[in-house]
Parts: sequence; structure tokens; C-alpha cells
Amino acid sequence: QSALTQPASVSGSPGQSITISCTGTSSDVGGYNYVSWYQQHAGKAPKVMIYDVSKRPSGVSNRFSGSKSGNTASLTISGLQAEDEADYYCCSYTSRSTVVFGGGTKLTVL
Amino acid sequence: EVQLVQSGAEVKKPGATVKISCTVSGYTFTDYYMHWVQQAPGKGLEWMGLVDPEDGETMFAEKFQGRVTITADTSTDTTYMELSSLRSEDTAVYYCATGAGTWSPDYWGQGTLVTVSS
Repeated sequence: QSALTQPASVSGSPGQSITISCTGTSSDVGGYNYVSWYQQHAGKAPKVMIYDVSKRPSGVSNRFSGSKSGNTASLTISGLQAEDEADYYCCSYTSRSTVVFGGGTKLTVL
Repeated sequence: EVQLVQSGAEVKKPGATVKISCTVSGYTFTDYYMHWVQQAPGKGLEWMGLVDPEDGETMFAEKFQGRVTITADTSTDTTYMELSSLRSEDTAVYYCATGAGTWSPDYWGQGTLVTVSS
């Protein structure tokens, strides 16, 4: 199972919006509505920001949103804040009843 | 409050086996799958496998199949991840993770650093 494809890095200025893409196949991202997004700050455990493509856990800011089209899922962060600077990983259920992560995207807030 | 507490850091020689524990509290142990995730230094997250504590059923990533064993002990609310035939590339932080989101665990352990070095 190959890792899902994410851009290595994205950047944006405070207040702007950014979108991170996550491309898989019909055997993972495209085949199921079980895509999630994790935020990881340096030295910390990952934190789920979006699950089931577009659902937001309690306590997560509504500046974070998720969507999917075909084999590509996306995470959008609006109103960028300095605290959003972190690594972001997408994650999907697969047809083999396993889980696969994306390679990760480093978000820099300029 | 849900808590996952992992065992401490390990240093192992190449070819050895490491066994890491993850003890939970704050929820019914058998309600959620337990996942294990590897993160090598400076690298991304890699899913290793999971166990269903209710019946012990497991699933593994192809990369780790044959080298990893994941078990659950319902008497102590603890899961174990054992990785054998260790090599330098296995030097990483290993996380256990669980939650109501079966395929998107939202509770994570603090991580256990395993260093493989001769």
C-alpha cells in the first residue's frame, strides 16, 4: 500500500486561507468516506482535526474544513494563525481493511 | 478522561525484538480498536496495524506483516506491540492510538522511542 500523496510544504500569511491536497486511489480515498486529517506540532502526538472527510471533532476550530472529490481529499484552513504552523497528515481507510497515511505537509505561516 | 500511557524508551541491538505496552484508562477497553503508528526521526506517520481488544483480531500493514505482533490483554486494559528482527531503520517513535473514530483514532499515547543501534 503506497502512501497517499501530499505536497511537501505549503505556506500562507496570517489571515489567509490555504488548502492541502491528499491524493490516493479508488481503493482508499476515492472508495470510502473515511478520510481524516491530523495536525502534529514538533515533538507532540498527532491530533485529529477532521474525520470522515468533513466532520470536525468537538473543540477543533471551524477554521478547519475537509472535502473530497474523486480520489483527492483536501484540508482547508481559513484565517491562518501562527499556531496553525505544524505538519499535517491525511489518513484513509483502505480496501484491505488497513489504514494508510499521506507523506505529510509542512505548513509555514509567514 | 481517556488516557493512553506507553512504556518507556528502549535501546536494542540489530536483530533483537522490542515489546512496547500501552495501558488505557477512562473508557471501556474493548469498545475501540487500538492502532499502532511508527514515526522515524524527521519522517512521516506510518500505520503499522491494529487489534480489536474484544476478540484479539488483528490487521497489519504489508510492510510490517510477519515482523509485528499486536496483542490485547483485557485483564489489564493493555495492548502490546512487538517488533522483531530489528534493524536501524526501525529507530522511531511508536504511538498507540484509539478512539470512537474506528479509522481515525483521536486519543494517542505519548509515544515510545525505540533506538536500534549496535
